[in-house]
Amino acid sequence: EPEVTQTPSHQVTQMGQEVILRCVPISNHLYFYWYRQILGQKVEFLVSFYNNEISEKSEIFDDQFSVERPDGSNFTLKIRSTKLEDSAMYFCASSLGQGLGGANVLTFGAGSRLTVL
Amino acid sequence: EDKVVQSPLSLVVHEGDTVTLNCSYEVTNFRSLLWYKQEKKAPTFLFMLTSSGIEKKSGRLSSILDKKELSSILNITATQTGDSAIYLCAVSGGSNYKLTFGKGTLLTVNP
Repeated sequence: EPEVTQTPSHQVTQMGQEVILRCVPISNHLYFYWYRQILGQKVEFLVSFYNNEISEKSEIFDDQFSVERPDGSNFTLKIRSTKLEDSAMYFCASSLGQGLGGANVLTFGAGSRLTVL
Repeated sequence: EDKVVQSPLSLVVHEGDTVTLNCSYEVTNFRSLLWYKQEKKAPTFLFMLTSSGIEKKSGRLSSILDKKELSSILNITATQTGDSAIYLCAVSGGSNYKLTFGKGTLLTVNP
């Protein structure tokens, strides 16, 4: 079964450092997402991406965050200058489409755990 | 602000028991409600519900949506230890399709 793959599975970084989290969405999917889950809290939406541009972002997704699809397969989340409160599990997801049909079901990756010291 | 509330937050049962997990929501322009199972890694999709009163079923799991009550339930019959996981409810609404998640229900099934 097709899956979303994420790397690294765990990254430890110092506060102020830049971090890039990588994702390979399912190959025929068109919509890409990043969500995060701080330990013990809800899964929260960060950003959605379609047709090589951000389609929506949450208030969490400030100027420190950026996303990119540098080639036909990868989808990356960059945090420019990490803060302690960025420590979380970051989930990448993709969907075939959006709308009421099954095409808008999000498939999630296994997550990248980011620890900021 | 969209809101999803799940109850109970945690539940411990014995193998063979039947459980009912609840999800209620407040969302602008509701589109769909989804249930995911989260074990140690990726949340895995269980059901998507868009219409009230139509039960979705997969093996021992079933779910139904009540749009009048703005809620959904997830039933698991004859629970097994492999059902132990966090069950996440998420709702899609508004002018976009982003998902708003609840905190999840931690289900522990003891042998």
